[in-house]
Amino acid sequence: GAGVSQSPRYKVAKRGQDVALRCDPISGHVSLFWYQQALGQGPEFLTYFQNEAQLDKSGLPSDRFFAERPEGSVSTLKIQRTQQEDSAVYLCASRPYQETQYFGPGTRLLVL
Amino acid sequence: SQQGEEDPQALSIQEGENATMNCSYKTSINNLQWYRQNSGRGLVHLILIRSNEREKHSGRLRVTLDTSKKSSSLLITASRAADTASYFCATTTDSWGKLQFGAGTQVVVTP
Repeated sequence: GAGVSQSPRYKVAKRGQDVALRCDPISGHVSLFWYQQALGQGPEFLTYFQNEAQLDKSGLPSDRFFAERPEGSVSTLKIQRTQQEDSAVYLCASRPYQETQYFGPGTRLLVL
Repeated sequence: SQQGEEDPQALSIQEGENATMNCSYKTSINNLQWYRQNSGRGLVHLILIRSNEREKHSGRLRVTLDTSKKSSSLLITASRAADTASYFCATTTDSWGKLQFGAGTQVVVTP
């Protein structure tokens, strides 16, 4: 079946622009996670949704980062007033009730 | 901050050889998972070992877990060129199951 998809795959933004990154999880998966992966590093947790409820946003680096999942399926990660340090790959993962997370291909964000 | 640290940072081997990489972590865990990431692609789950397990096998993969030393190892036997990738260990410590990753081991397998 279809896996987790993310769009766009690549995004170039000028510093100060707002960006929106989309994640389409596997149908029926209750849990959805966002991670940020800097170059040469492992992914770092940003936020977690169970259905439409955002249960953990402790990893969001600043109040410029905002995530939503209004209908419990598609999720959007929004970054306002982008900064150069926001350049990274943003990974989305979904999970049914078991432990394994299924990752999307990621969105590579470059802020100039 | 990262929960885990992988060792070595990079590993270069020839096809047919075994590859071993280690992961150390800092706090008590629920489970530990290994993921593979190919260049330009997403993370693929390889294997999960629970905190009450000591060893697990999946195909050419063997994972061990030593909770007293807070460490795990991943062994890939009879490596192939297609095994070239970055390998990450990740732990879960809370009820949500959020993953805390190490910095990864880059493995290059040459024909």
